[in-house]
Amino acid sequence: GAGVSQSPSNKVTEKGKDVELRCDPISGHTALYWYRQSLGQGLEFLIYFQGNSAPDKSGLPSDRFSAERTGGSVSTLTIQRTQQEDSAVYLCASSRTSGGPYEQYFGPGTRLTVT
Amino acid sequence: DAKTTQPNSMESNEEEPVHLPCNHSTISGTDYIHWYRQLPSQGPEYVIHGLTSNVNNRMASLAIAEDRKSSTLILHRATLRDAAVYYCILRESGAGSYQLTFGKGTKLSVIP
Repeated sequence: GAGVSQSPSNKVTEKGKDVELRCDPISGHTALYWYRQSLGQGLEFLIYFQGNSAPDKSGLPSDRFSAERTGGSVSTLTIQRTQQEDSAVYLCASSRTSGGPYEQYFGPGTRLTVT
Repeated sequence: DAKTTQPNSMESNEEEPVHLPCNHSTISGTDYIHWYRQLPSQGPEYVIHGLTSNVNNRMASLAIAEDRKSSTLILHRATLRDAAVYYCILRESGAGSYQLTFGKGTKLSVIP
């Protein structure tokens, strides 16, 4: 079946502009996660959704970052007034529900470059 | 998540089996053992997971020691596409365990 999809695959933006990154999870998966990964670094957790609610937003780096999920499906991560340090690969993952026994399936990521 | 220890790197010849070890001596009774891998320039990919019994799927096998303090990911016939960093992680069984946190993992090189 279809996996997790993300768009755009690449985004180059000027410092100070806003960007929106989209994630389409696997159908039927109630849990959705956003991570980011800087070059050569590990995964940095940003936020997770169970259904449409976000029980844990603690990983969002600043108030310039926000995310929403509608209809228990598609999610959008918005970064306002982008800075160069926001440059990274933004990864979305989904799982049947949250919790240890459930594997997470990742999308291909959006490579964000802030110039 | 409890700590795991893996070798930094391993090499394998193409079409030969690969055994990737992971030590997790502080594992608790309800921790699941998960393996993910990340190919160059791609997002992480789920490989396999288990609790107590050995597990097989189309990608790999997971052998779990009887005392659960170690496990081994087995790729039966390595291909060039299996060259990646492999991460062994422990995940608590509750709904509160939702973040994935990877250590340094094992970088597997496959020699043609």
